[in-house]
Amino acid sequence: GQQLNQSPQSMFIQEGEDVSMNCTSSSIFNTWLWYKQEPGEGPVLLIALYKAGELTSNGRLTAQFGITRKDSFLNISASIPSDVGIYFCAGQGSNYQLIWGAGTKLIIKP
Amino acid sequence: GAVVSQHPSRVICKSGTSVKIECRSLDFQATTMFWYRQFPKQSLMLMATSNEGSKATYEQGVEKDKFLINHASLTLSTLTVTSAHPEDSSFYICSARKNSGGARPTQYFGPGTRLTVL
Repeated sequence: GQQLNQSPQSMFIQEGEDVSMNCTSSSIFNTWLWYKQEPGEGPVLLIALYKAGELTSNGRLTAQFGITRKDSFLNISASIPSDVGIYFCAGQGSNYQLIWGAGTKLIIKP
Repeated sequence: GAVVSQHPSRVICKSGTSVKIECRSLDFQATTMFWYRQFPKQSLMLMATSNEGSKATYEQGVEKDKFLINHASLTLSTLTVTSAHPEDSSFYICSARKNSGGARPTQYFGPGTRLTVL
């Protein structure tokens, strides 16, 4: 099925560094969502974006809904060890189904 | 809040048996729930959309007779894997769609169920 283009696939960073990941699509979405998944768990919603151009923060996380409605980015500032996990973007269209990115695995070097 | 639970969290069964997985929305009503399957190191794959009081809608390639879905109430959907085989071993995750005041529905996910078929 359709999948969003999410990059990077993985990131190895030092604690304290900022992180940036993004998703692009050939289709327009009404909603962009960012989830985090830890091993053996279901995805947890981090940020939901509902309007083109919208910039939303959740603590150290900031995400933006691209003006073209075909892309979104997620930034994490001053990363900490508990930020490790896999981050997924998802686009939600008019039928409310989610189209997923392949995920970005975040690994923090000790 | 928006809490979704799944039971069991892990199940090991013999080939040929059936397994039922429950998905509950604990603090909201969900007319629509979704069932996903996730293979290691991959994204979530939608299996079916479960609608309260009506038949589920299955994605292409998902056998409806193999994966039985029942959404009998606004807080409970069940997935039954019938005559399970080793290739059905996977991580199954449900989600429930919460409608916030009729606008901006958002999916909240359960913690997943790890199914191992021997």
